[in-house]
Amino acid sequence: GENVEQHPSTLSVQEGDSAVIKCTYSDSASNYFPWYKQELGKRPQLIIDIRSNVGEKKDQRIAVTLNKTAKHFSLHITETQPEDSAVYFCAAEWMDSSYKLIFGSGTRLLVRP
Amino acid sequence: NAGVTQTPKFRVLKTGQSMTLLCAQDMNHEYMYWYRQDPGMGLRLIHYSVGEGTTAKGEVPDGYNVSRLKKQNFLLGLESAAPSQTSVYFCASRTLEYEQYFGPGTRLTVT
Repeated sequence: GENVEQHPSTLSVQEGDSAVIKCTYSDSASNYFPWYKQELGKRPQLIIDIRSNVGEKKDQRIAVTLNKTAKHFSLHITETQPEDSAVYFCAAEWMDSSYKLIFGSGTRLLVRP
Repeated sequence: NAGVTQTPKFRVLKTGQSMTLLCAQDMNHEYMYWYRQDPGMGLRLIHYSVGEGTTAKGEVPDGYNVSRLKKQNFLLGLESAAPSQTSVYFCASRTLEYEQYFGPGTRLTVT
């Protein structure tokens, strides 16, 4: 069935360290994988995405990698800062006529100053 | 360009009351979605629309109805609210390049 698993559920790192969040998905036809950041009381905001025709994408301190064979993708944040503290959600686009996103359960990232 | 907007921002209902949540987007997007987010949880799809005049069920459609009479508006209705529908409701619209952008949310409490 439609499923995206996300790990870990919570992650605490020291400021300046790196953080990695991993997701696996069930629909082998999925070809679009966005990551959202949600601060407390705010809307989810798209921070980076990757399509299946690439294996890695970077945007400043954020990078996403995709392994289509293993059906997993990861978010990497380097040189973490306190303002990176938030809940991060991965998602996979379901390849039927809806193009709906199936979301992971979220990772609460805490960056300790 | 306001993006995706939602009204109201907050609402408290008594069990059995009805209400309609409005989502509007000014980006000419065909696809629109309604999600709910319960505390500490991810987002679950309630209903979606692939264009004006069309709607379809998502993962958790029971107790909700939707309408898309105009391309820019997507309405979510609760006919008889229940405490289990206490949640934050987010609307989103999708670009041709796959990105989904969310509205600011509606925080609904049913007592």
